[in-house]
Amino acid sequence: QQQVKQSPQSLIVQKGGISIINCAYENTAFDYFPWYQQFPGKGPALLIAIRPDVSEKKEGRFTISFNKSAKQFSLHIMDSQPGDSATYFCAASPEYSGGGADGLTFGKGTHLIIQP
Amino acid sequence: DTAVSQTPKYLVTQMGNDKSIKCEQNLGHDTMYWYKQDSKKFLKIMFSYNNKELIINETVPNRFSPKSPDKAHLNLHINSLELGDSAVYFCASSPSRDRGAGELFFGEGSRLTVL
Repeated sequence: QQQVKQSPQSLIVQKGGISIINCAYENTAFDYFPWYQQFPGKGPALLIAIRPDVSEKKEGRFTISFNKSAKQFSLHIMDSQPGDSATYFCAASPEYSGGGADGLTFGKGTHLIIQP
Repeated sequence: DTAVSQTPKYLVTQMGNDKSIKCEQNLGHDTMYWYKQDSKKFLKIMFSYNNKELIINETVPNRFSPKSPDKAHLNLHINSLELGDSAVYFCASSPSRDRGAGELFFGEGSRLTVL
């Protein structure tokens, strides 16, 4: 079974701080790495994604850092806000999975709480 | 308009019963999925359909059967419900089999409780 290992399982950060969630993968065929955000009672939604041709991607306060040699990638949330409190999932898939998102493997999720 | 809608949102039933969850997407996507999210929030893919063809079946029990009347709909039928089937079931869709079609669009989930 292809795996994506995500840590920590839960995280508490003070408002204004930096939240960091880490993921590691094993399959070297993975070359698409999205992060999904899920609020209580809602379905997951794509937050940001990266491909391994770059080492970093930034969208607003959210940044993905990617280390291909270490097979690790992480999500950084700068100036964390209470509205960022949610469960975050990393995922990975081969680019040519033959079915778009068919090969998407999810991490087990991180429950993030931003304290006011 | 809701992009991926599923009904019912909540479902409470007795062991042994048969139930269905319906899903519709208005995004024009070719591929639809069913995911199961357990109490620990772990997301596990159950099925995917591409142009009405089943292309993934992740060793789920055959009590679970997906039905797709057309590419905008993928319903999930569950026979002989068991306690362990209690979970939140998410329907999702994604664009066609083109390169980079990795974004999933999820519905809001259907929470199934088996008593």
